Amino acid sequence: AQSVTQPDIHITVSEGASLELRCNYSYGATPYLFWYVQSPGQGLQLLLKYFSGDTLVQGIKGFEAEFKRSQSSFNLRKPSVHWSDAAEYFCAVGLSNFGNEKLTFGTGTRLTIIP
Amino acid sequence: DTAVSQTPKYLVTQMGNDKSIKCEQNLGHDTMYWYKQDSKKFLKIMFSYNNKELIINETVPNRFSPKSPDKAHLNLHINSLELGDSAVYFCASSPRLAGARETQYFGPGTRLLVL
Repeated sequence: AQSVTQPDIHITVSEGASLELRCNYSYGATPYLFWYVQSPGQGLQLLLKYFSGDTLVQGIKGFEAEFKRSQSSFNLRKPSVHWSDAAEYFCAVGLSNFGNEKLTFGTGTRLTIIP
Repeated sequence: DTAVSQTPKYLVTQMGNDKSIKCEQNLGHDTMYWYKQDSKKFLKIMFSYNNKELIINETVPNRFSPKSPDKAHLNLHINSLELGDSAVYFCASSPRLAGARETQYFGPGTRLLVL
């Protein structure tokens, strides 16, 4: 069965510092990979996704992620965080068997930004 | 214009009661979902519907009954509410059934508290 691990429950970074959120997956085939962000009291919004091709994908709000097959990872990065980036971040893996199309989410990483 | 809307936003009720949550999307999508997010922020799919047809039922107790009167609406009715049903329930939609590959658009969530 597919699974997603986000090893960091909570990360605190200073405004303007760089950020990397870790995501590891377990899946037999090439996965569909996503990063979603959940701002306080809000629903989830897609930041970026990877299906195939270039392993470095660009997303909204200045985020990027790199797919590394050898490490089964899809880490999210941002060179300089803003206070508005404080949120919960979810990595997700898409399972694509006909009749069972669904996303499996990681447990999330809460990002706190300090001035 | 709200893409995916849910009502109510908050729901506080007593154990044993029956309640409904409504979801509507104005994106013209074919597929809709219900997710449950527990107190630890873990997000798990409950149901998916495609053009009013049930596709995924993730071993949810039969006290939970989704209903899709048309492809723009997916409601969730819960009978005999239990304390463990307290959570945030998210509705989402995607353009097509391929939920593993499609971007999902989430509603703002319904915060259910069972006393």
